[in-house]
Parts: sequence; structure tokens; C-alpha cells
Amino acid sequence: AQKITQTQPGMFVQEKEAVTLDCTYDTSDPSYGLFWYKQPSSGEMIFLIYQGSYDQQNATEGRYSLNFQKARKSANLVISASQLGDSAMYFCAMSLVFGKGTRLSVIA
Amino acid sequence: GAVVSQHPSRVICKSGTSVKIECRSLDFQATTMFWYRQFPKQSLMLMATSNEGSKATYEQGVEKDKFLINHASLTLSTLTVTSAHPEDSSFYICSAIGETSSYEQYFGPGTRLTVT
Repeated sequence: AQKITQTQPGMFVQEKEAVTLDCTYDTSDPSYGLFWYKQPSSGEMIFLIYQGSYDQQNATEGRYSLNFQKARKSANLVISASQLGDSAMYFCAMSLVFGKGTRLSVIA
Repeated sequence: GAVVSQHPSRVICKSGTSVKIECRSLDFQATTMFWYRQFPKQSLMLMATSNEGSKATYEQGVEKDKFLINHASLTLSTLTVTSAHPEDSSFYICSAIGETSSYEQYFGPGTRLTVT
């Protein structure tokens, strides 16, 4: 069975600073993919970034990067230069299994 | 980009009635669609996987007779909450996987159901 753990219920970050959202996972599948989604108060799920288990390099998408440490089974999301619009819930997911999410609040 | 719509976005119904939620892939053919349920301040929980032309696969604990799923075409899946009760009030989100994408889900905007 697959499991995603997000241990930070809430995080605060100052505008323009970087923030790391933690995610650990567990799976017995040799090949897997990890996702991060953003869910603003409107409720829509916004895809941010994807990391394949066999990808050699950490994924990056604009201000989002994924710190993938396979041996530790962690896939932390790093948001650089935080903006007020980044305030939202962030979910780490593996396929169809989602973590409990982290609420990020960006402070001006 | 791939767009998935859901209708209605909000619905309020009386206890005992049935509600149908539509999920449409607007610019691609969705080989598989998923239905999730999200309680306030909680994570998404997969309810069922829907493939066009076949019966949906329900997750453990999800009543298939209560949550009827029909995937009639490659662009439309419907979730019908039958004989709704207040405890069915939730945020329902669908997602779809296209023929060209092996891993990325495209999410609909969600439907907020309130049963009074």
C-alpha cells in the first residue's frame, strides 16, 4: 500500500522568502511518481510539479522545485520567492493517494 | 492545456433526494476518470475509478449503490448521490487522465454538495 505523510499542518513564510514543505512517502512499487498540488480557497486542485522515481535530476517548475531524496523516501517541495498568492493548501500525492496537506500562509 | 469541468459547482438539496454531478473533459478524451471526496480541512479521498464503457471500481468503504458512477463517453462521467443525507455533504472533485498522459491527472474545479 502507498502512503503519503505530511507532518506540517501549517506553515508561515515571509513574502519573498523561500519555504520548504515536507513530504515523506512509503511504497513497495519499484517505479512511482510523486506530485505536488496547490489548492486555493476556491477548491480547485492545481498541479505544480512531478517527480518520477527514476528521474536523475530533481524536478523544477519555475519557482517550484522538488527536493527528492529517494533513500530517505522524501519529496519536499521548495517554493522560492514566496508571493501572497502562494497562500493555499499544498498536497503531496503518489498516484491516487494524497497526504493530509499543509496550509501555507504567506505574510507581507 | 487540458481542461476538466464540473457541473454544478454548488448544489443544495433536501435529505432523501438524489443529486447528479457531471465531470467533463473539454479538450481531450479521458480514458479514465476519478472521483474524490474532500471533507473540510481534510485531504482528498479517492472514491472510485471510472473507465469509459465499464463499471466503476470503488474504493473500500464506498457504497456503490449510494454513489452511482456512469462513464458513458470518453468526455463525460457522472456521479449520482442517491438518497442523500446530511453526512453526504462534502466537496466532490473529479479528475481525468488523457490518452497522451501517462501520469498527470487533470482536476475539475469541484462541486460543493450541501444536504439539508
